[in-house]
Amino acid sequence: GQNIDQPTEMTATEGAIVQINCTYQTSGFNGLFWYQQHAGEAPTFLSYNVLDGLEEKGRFSSFLSRSKGYSYLLLKELQMKDSASYLCAVSNDYKLSFGAGTTVTVRA
Amino acid sequence: SQTIHQWPATLVQPVGSPLSLECTVEGTSNPNLYWYRQAAGRGLQLLFYSVGIGQISSEVPQNLSASRPQDRQFILSSKKLLLSDSGFYLCAWSAGFSNQPQHFGDGTRLSIL
Repeated sequence: GQNIDQPTEMTATEGAIVQINCTYQTSGFNGLFWYQQHAGEAPTFLSYNVLDGLEEKGRFSSFLSRSKGYSYLLLKELQMKDSASYLCAVSNDYKLSFGAGTTVTVRA
Repeated sequence: SQTIHQWPATLVQPVGSPLSLECTVEGTSNPNLYWYRQAAGRGLQLLFYSVGIGQISSEVPQNLSASRPQDRQFILSSKKLLLSDSGFYLCAWSAGFSNQPQHFGDGTRLSIL
């Protein structure tokens, strides 16, 4: 079975940093993906980790610890446009299993 | 570059009516194709996926079916819609290797009356 947990909501101030945690227990693991989904829109791919460690992509970074079943997405220098839902997804062969998503609200 | 087209964007259907949603991908060959449903305020539920023409894997038992008549075309169908079929339907593609990111179409918002 697949169990992927992430917080439901987070609020942060413009210019700040927010860390979204994701823990998983899955029957298989090939990698972990993060997606951003604005309200009413389709998800867009943000980042991907297959090995332990930190992957940095501009203002966004993602970290993975396979032994702990844990990942986080770090959003730096928050902007109002970063208000969205962030989805953690575990890859197993050709399939992704998604968490329920974390809604991040950025306040001025 | 690769693009994915999904239509229609919005659909309102009566209970018991049939459904056909279409998705096509351009700019790539032999993609993996996926259909997801997202209920309001919920995560994405994988409905079907396909790694080749005519090959369909179903993830959950339900009132829906999928077909892949061509390499880059994926169709989601139902003979008789239920109220519970309402939701946001998303088609996605990935390169034909494991562990590749999936890229989503714009989605179809389906309301059943």
